[in-house]
Amino acid sequence: GQNIDQPTEMTATEGAIVQINCTYQTSGFNGLFWYQQHAGEAPTFLSYNVLDGLEEKGRFSSFLSRSKGYSYLLLKELQMKDSASYLCAVRDSNYQLIWGAGTKLIIKP
Amino acid sequence: ETGVTQTPRHLVMGMTNKKSLKCEQHLGHNAMYWYKQSAKKPLELMFVYNFKEQTENNSVPSRFSPECPNSSHLFLHLHTLQPEDSALYLCASSQDGGAGANVLTFGAGSRLTVL
Repeated sequence: GQNIDQPTEMTATEGAIVQINCTYQTSGFNGLFWYQQHAGEAPTFLSYNVLDGLEEKGRFSSFLSRSKGYSYLLLKELQMKDSASYLCAVRDSNYQLIWGAGTKLIIKP
Repeated sequence: ETGVTQTPRHLVMGMTNKKSLKCEQHLGHNAMYWYKQSAKKPLELMFVYNFKEQTENNSVPSRFSPECPNSSHLFLHLHTLQPEDSALYLCASSQDGGAGANVLTFGAGSRLTVL
């Protein structure tokens, strides 16, 4: 079966750096997405990786290793507003999105 | 108004009621989606419409009935629901439903409680 694994919850300190991991086993691979979802709000697109390596976008970076079935989202200079759930999703060979259950990130002062 | 708008934001209904969820997008997208989001579970794709044609129905019970009158509007009609159907129902849209990059734009969701 197809599966996306990510930690259920993580805690980090304001100003620090946190890495949220995502491992996947899917039928084929056509890209990996990260979305951010604040409580009670819509998920919003953060990043897209289809080739191996690091994609940087301001304080957020996303890394992909297709051979390892692994990605991470790196958040630097954490701010309180970064408290949210982070959803990892992989598009399989049929271009269907397979979702992880999300990682709830708690930022403490 | 821009983006994806869902109404109502909250809905409480009994198991014998009939209600509808509405989704509207002003992005000029051609694909629209219904997802179910339950606590600590992955998003579950329910239905996909691409250019107003239904292209996905992921074994969703018939008590959920989608309707897509045009590429900007999507409805989810609900009848004789069960308590386990209580969840957040998210609508999303994308440029198209094919093999493109297909970044999804989500609405804020309709929180449904079935008593």
